[in-house]
Amino acid sequence: GNSVTQMEGPVTLSEEAFLTINCTYTATGYPSLFWYVQYPGEGLQLLLKATKADDKGSNKGFEATYRKETTSFHLEKGSVQVSDSAVYFCALSGAAGNKLTFGGGTRVLVKP
Amino acid sequence: GAVVSQHPSWVICKSGTSVKIECRSLDFQATTMFWYRQFPKQSLMLMATSNEGSKATYEQGVEKDKFLINHASLTLSTLTVTSAHPEDSSFYICSARDMGEDPLHFGNGTRLTVT
Repeated sequence: GNSVTQMEGPVTLSEEAFLTINCTYTATGYPSLFWYVQYPGEGLQLLLKATKADDKGSNKGFEATYRKETTSFHLEKGSVQVSDSAVYFCALSGAAGNKLTFGGGTRVLVKP
Repeated sequence: GAVVSQHPSWVICKSGTSVKIECRSLDFQATTMFWYRQFPKQSLMLMATSNEGSKATYEQGVEKDKFLINHASLTLSTLTVTSAHPEDSSFYICSARDMGEDPLHFGNGTRLTVT
């Protein structure tokens, strides 16, 4: 079956530091890949997505590239802010209308 | 963009009572909604897939008689936690797709505390 593995947190950074959260996946076929962000006490918000190999999703300074050869979708941001403190979830969808499979989540704490 | 509204955002109930959580798609129709449960500092666990006009599909290990799901219209799904117990205390999140396309849109969740 499908699975998503992402690095465990918490990840603690200083403001303006570079952030990378690793995500790898196992899936049959050609899944769509997503990063969701969850702020304290809230639901999940879509951060970015990629639907095919070599696609790059980007939003709010975050980027992730769909790498089929390494089955990865690592999230990066060049300069984090305190407001980026949240839990980040990598996820995949096997097909349109199919349920999402989530990674375990990575808590990020950015200190001023 | 597509908005999913979940209500209530938090609820405290006594053990043995039932609690209903609503999930609405505000500006789109959703034939399928998903209900997740999240324990503190953990990932989301899919509980069930709610299908408009038919029975929900429950994941293995989820008690369908305890977690009643009703998807009576294209914009509303409800999750009722029946005879709640303290171990049911958790964060429940619903999600839906617009016209069956990615991505999933999530509600803001409901924090249930059973005393």
